[in-house]
Amino acid sequence: AQSVTQLDSQVPVFEEAPVELRCNYSSSVSVYLFWYVQYPNQGLQLLLKYLSGSTLVKSINGFEAEFNKSQTSFHLRKPSVHISDTAEYFCAVSEGGGTGGFKTIFGAGTRLFVKA
Amino acid sequence: GAVVSQHPSRVICKSGTSVKIECRSLDFQATTMFWYRQFPKQSLMLMATSNEGSKATYEQGVEKDKFLINHASLTLSTLTVTSAHPEDSSFYICSALGQTYEQYFGPGTRLTVT
Repeated sequence: AQSVTQLDSQVPVFEEAPVELRCNYSSSVSVYLFWYVQYPNQGLQLLLKYLSGSTLVKSINGFEAEFNKSQTSFHLRKPSVHISDTAEYFCAVSEGGGTGGFKTIFGAGTRLFVKA
Repeated sequence: GAVVSQHPSRVICKSGTSVKIECRSLDFQATTMFWYRQFPKQSLMLMATSNEGSKATYEQGVEKDKFLINHASLTLSTLTVTSAHPEDSSFYICSALGQTYEQYFGPGTRLTVT
């Protein structure tokens, strides 16, 4: 991937409201798409991923993301957020995996702040 | 999920000295590991890709003689910052590549060079 753009650096939202974190990428080859979450004072954790198949992927805690090839986007959504969802969310795009190597580019991150 | 540890979590060293950071995959074998640098309020910047038993592949602009990477076993990769300077102060993160292209991240190491 040549670049990954997360359009919002911060997203404040009230508890139980829906949220969308946007991610767009540019690449000339097939890619794998990921969302990672970093909770305060913790390392990054995989939230969900798209490798192939169904373009809508879901996490165990209610998040979902949809791969849109024509718009080169992989936006993350949740219909109703919790206080505990407050964290930094990183969109990541990987390509390669063959003899040419494997590389991942991360977006700048979006800080989701859920207010009571 | 798979667990990756990093040691130390924080280190303070004097300018000119060297510091070694260890990255271990605790419950799986990691053929490929990555080293990143994260600046405050910024994203992760890939420094190098570490493959077990071979030389690391460094990203453009990363000095391989300054940031020495060794991946001698399937569970351990080390990053040594040689002759550290204050501008090397940063948050260093390692990850291990999983079987379906996901990465498992260590908790990071905060390096402060005085």
